[in-house]
Order: sequence, then structure tokens, then C-alpha cells
Amino acid sequence: EVQLVQSGAEVKKPGESLKISCKGSGYSFSNYWIGWVRQMPGKGLEWMGIIYPRDSETRYSPALQGQVTISVDKSINTANLQWTSLKASDTAMYYCARLPGVVGAFDVWGQGTMVTVSS
Amino acid sequence: EVVLTQSPGTLSLSPGERATLSCRASESVSSSYLAWYQQKPGQAPRLLIYDTSTRATGIPDRFSGSGSGPDFTLTIRRLEPEDFAVYYCQQYASSLGTFGQGTKVEIK
Repeated sequence: EVQLVQSGAEVKKPGESLKISCKGSGYSFSNYWIGWVRQMPGKGLEWMGIIYPRDSETRYSPALQGQVTISVDKSINTANLQWTSLKASDTAMYYCARLPGVVGAFDVWGQGTMVTVSS
Repeated sequence: EVVLTQSPGTLSLSPGERATLSCRASESVSSSYLAWYQQKPGQAPRLLIYDTSTRATGIPDRFSGSGSGPDFTLTIRRLEPEDFAVYYCQQYASSLGTFGQGTKVEIK
């Protein structure tokens, strides 16, 4: 079964750093792009960026460039999303999802990781 | 950046009725790279339609997609109780994808 399993919920303070993860299984991880999608509380979906595990090529939404870093460790079939200094406005559900190519729809989704940033 | 505008914001219908959801792009979406997703409360989104009109694996044929250029439509032929949810369109014509703001289909 093709699956993306994300790390658990996080509660952090403003200014702290964080890395959340997304582990793929049941398919050839290196051959599919992985994307990250943000959903702020009660709001819609926001495309954040994508990464190709085979060579770590990365594309970011212009609105989020420099705010987050997307990375991958293909040796353990895991993609990551990280922040160096969290803000309260980073509070959201974060989903990873698989794409068949650099241009493609998200066909398999992780279960989501809730990140809460509060003092 | 391509902006997608979905309408209506909320659609109030009864089970068995037909639902028609619209998604308009701020510029032409090349190669029909348009997808539709369904999201239920507390769940991750699920891919319904990709490339404008191709149903994803396991999606019932009461769901259909159509359109071209800037205007796209998701039609649910006869609403089942499990179809009441929020629906998002997404364009992926470039390697920078964008989502519409969503249409909520609620029980009337």
C-alpha cells in the first residue's frame, strides 16, 4: 500500500525551531516529487513547495520562500519541512503529498501534522 | 501566479440532487492541468479528478470534471450523504501550484 506517514503534532513557542517529517512507503520514493501544503485553522489549502528526492531539486511558493526549508533524506524515504524561527502565524495543519512529476496533482496524502505556536 | 476563484462559496443541496461547482483561473491554465480534491472535517484532502476530467483511482463515476482555459467545473451527478464536504480546485500548469479557496457542499 502506498502511504505517507507524517510525524506527530507539535506545540512550540515563538522563536523556536522545528522540523516535521513525512515518510513514504509502498512505492519508489526517489521517483516521485513530494509537496507540502499548509492549512491554517478554518482556512483553505495553500501550496508551499515541492522536492524531488532523487536530486533534491526544490521549488517554493514565492510567498513562503525563505520562511521554510524543504529537504529530503532519500536513504530513509523521508521528506522534511523545517523552520528556524517559528511565529504564531505558522500555526496550521501541514500535509505532505505525492506528485507523479514536477507538474502533477497530489495523488497520495499524509495524515497531516498539526503545528501550534503559542507563547 | 495563477489565482483560482471558486464559486459558490457554499452550496446547499439535498441528497440525490446535482451539484455544479465552478473554478475560474486568472489566466488560461495550459494543458488542462487542473485537479479537484474533496476534504471532509478532520481528514486530509483526497484527489478526485486530475487533468481536468480524469477520475482518480477508486472515485465513483458520479463525479465528473470538465472545462478548459480559464473555466472549469466539477459536477456531482447525484449527491450521496458522504459527498457533503469541502471541494478545492488546484492548477499545476506550472511547477508552482495554486489552490482555489474552496466550495462547501452542505446538506439543505
